[in-house]
Amino acid sequence: GIQVEQSPPDLILQEGANSTLRCNFSDSVNNLQWFHQNPWGQLINLFYIPSGTKQNGRLSATTVATERYSLLYISSSQTTDSGVYFCAITYGGATNKLIFGTGTLLAVQP
Amino acid sequence: DAEITQSPRHKITETGRQVTLACHQTWNHNNMFWYRQDLGHGLRLIHYSYGVQDTNKGEVSDGYSVSRSNTEDLPLTLESAASSQTSVYFCASSESTLADTQYFGPGTRLTVL
Repeated sequence: GIQVEQSPPDLILQEGANSTLRCNFSDSVNNLQWFHQNPWGQLINLFYIPSGTKQNGRLSATTVATERYSLLYISSSQTTDSGVYFCAITYGGATNKLIFGTGTLLAVQP
Repeated sequence: DAEITQSPRHKITETGRQVTLACHQTWNHNNMFWYRQDLGHGLRLIHYSYGVQDTNKGEVSDGYSVSRSNTEDLPLTLESAASSQTSVYFCASSESTLADTQYFGPGTRLTVL
């Protein structure tokens, strides 16, 4: 089956720093989403981005479908950005069955 | 505002007992999903439904069942709970059968002793 790999597995930042999280996938995808799981466990949609670039405040994401990767950029990080970031994809005929990567654990220190 | 809720938020049960976790959404979404989250595995799909009376097995469906009698609810039943089913369970929904954004509930933490 398709593989979804995220890097780095964990990351520690000082408040105000920028970071880039990467999601690689091994086959063509129909859909790619980025989620933030906060320290209370809630999963929050960040982006629905099967291709192209989107921005939402300090966060932006780019998916290059032809090269099978997506990047999540966090600028001017804040302590509230801490948590786990997941990318998730759907592929083939299973257009709604999300397959998650194992996540990047981000800790932003004051 | 539309939302997706799960109950209970925390549950402790014993091996062999039947357990049902509730999921209710007010988005009027056709598609609903159950995932479990375990350390080292991320989230994995248990069962999903594309509409009333439709249910399908996901990646890790053994020991679980679902039923869809209306649009709003997709209860997840553990027929005979096992310690290996200790996990955090998330319900999600999406609007259409095309690739679409999934929205997640707050999760249920289940412990099987």
